[in-house]
Amino acid sequence: DTEVTQTPKHLVMGMTNKKSLKCEQHMGHRAMYWYKQKAKKPPELMFVYSYEKLSINESVPSRFSPECPNSSLLNLHLHALQPEDSALYLCASRGDRGPDRSGNTIYFGEGSWLTVV
Amino acid sequence: SQQGEEDPQALSIQEGENATMNCSYKTSINNLQWYRQNSGRGLVHLILIRSNEREKHSGRLRVTLDTSKKSSSLLITASRAADTASYFCATYRDNYGQNFVFGPGTRLSVLP
Repeated sequence: DTEVTQTPKHLVMGMTNKKSLKCEQHMGHRAMYWYKQKAKKPPELMFVYSYEKLSINESVPSRFSPECPNSSLLNLHLHALQPEDSALYLCASRGDRGPDRSGNTIYFGEGSWLTVV
Repeated sequence: SQQGEEDPQALSIQEGENATMNCSYKTSINNLQWYRQNSGRGLVHLILIRSNEREKHSGRLRVTLDTSKKSSSLLITASRAADTASYFCATYRDNYGQNFVFGPGTRLSVLP
């Protein structure tokens, strides 16, 4: 089973709202990722968690707050977003089999479409 | 920021023809991965090629890697309308297997 599940699939929120995106995987992967993707652009890395610890933050504004409550779950808390934050948010995970972690496939979820109004 | 560059940015072919997409990258790599994305959907992993491999096949897909030129190509043979999608190459930008970044992608249209 190589499945990464993201909820919700679609989210519309106002600029003063607080909402969360959720991601779940049961492949035993210990690295999880958040990406943001605008139309006709490649995914842009936002955050990486490794063994439930934040290891990479690509200078993401603080209105995006990631959380990794356990090894299977990854959340992205959203607060005071701007219309330009409207995008497809993708979650991914990667296993650590073998000595070379970078040799493992990264699996992506279907994404959450976010619209900020 | 992106690690690689793909060309062409957009490619339109007839069903049955072959499609070739190229990817260049900047730093040394352990492997390079290709993904497909149908419009508005998640990314589907297609193939991973390691730095010590020169060519790899998977069904109608053929990937080559030239580490001396820091480039890779993805060939789809006998294309089908269902192959219409965006194709991205991706590599790690670090040595820890975490900073995984994508090239700009090629939008492939296969016309019936």
